Amino acid sequence: AAGVIQSPRHLIKEKRETATLKCYPIPRHDTVYWYQQGPGQDPQFLISFYEKMQSDKGSIPDRFSAQQFSDYHSELNMSSLELGDSALYFCASSLTDGAGEIYEQFFGPGTRLTVL
Amino acid sequence: LAKTTQPISMDSYEGQEVNITCSHNNIATNDYITWYQQFPSQGPRFIIQGYKTKVTNEVASLFIPADRKSSTLSLPRVSLSDTAVYYCLVGEAGTASKLTFGTGTRLQVTL
Repeated sequence: AAGVIQSPRHLIKEKRETATLKCYPIPRHDTVYWYQQGPGQDPQFLISFYEKMQSDKGSIPDRFSAQQFSDYHSELNMSSLELGDSALYFCASSLTDGAGEIYEQFFGPGTRLTVL
Repeated sequence: LAKTTQPISMDSYEGQEVNITCSHNNIATNDYITWYQQFPSQGPRFIIQGYKTKVTNEVASLFIPADRKSSTLSLPRVSLSDTAVYYCLVGEAGTASKLTFGTGTRLQVTL
């Protein structure tokens, strides 16, 4: 079965540079989520999109922005990178079901961003 | 959002049954309980979800008492490959809602 695709898998940037992470959700999934997981930490929600509109926002820095395109893929843009941005960035997708249905998010393999 | 509390770590031998309990005293009427598993450097993976009583799938069982203030994830006959972090999450199902991860339980399975 098709899974969530993230690219690139690894990314190395210098401080103050920019980075763009891409996410391709499972076909027919209408919601995309972005999570950040720092070294030794638990995943933290950044932002989500439902049907190409921002649906929720978490602790996402103002230096970061994201969008979902017409083909449902999503991009997380990160500017003025800082050392503390080094983390695993996961994208997840889901299909919004009616009440009472099992609801799960499918996570991608992640992009490991290293800021030097 | 209902806060969850679970043990930081657990150890088990291969072949044993493992039960991880999560407390969620402030769970709301519309909240479901969901468990995710995460291996190092991989994205979390859905294990099981329930609202009340008992839910079982091919991987695990989830026991939820009547007051729903806690839940127990049961992994039958664990193997070395079950070594992972297990997260208990509480939130509304059926909506495009974020997952709020607390501190998960690090399960170490040894021979």
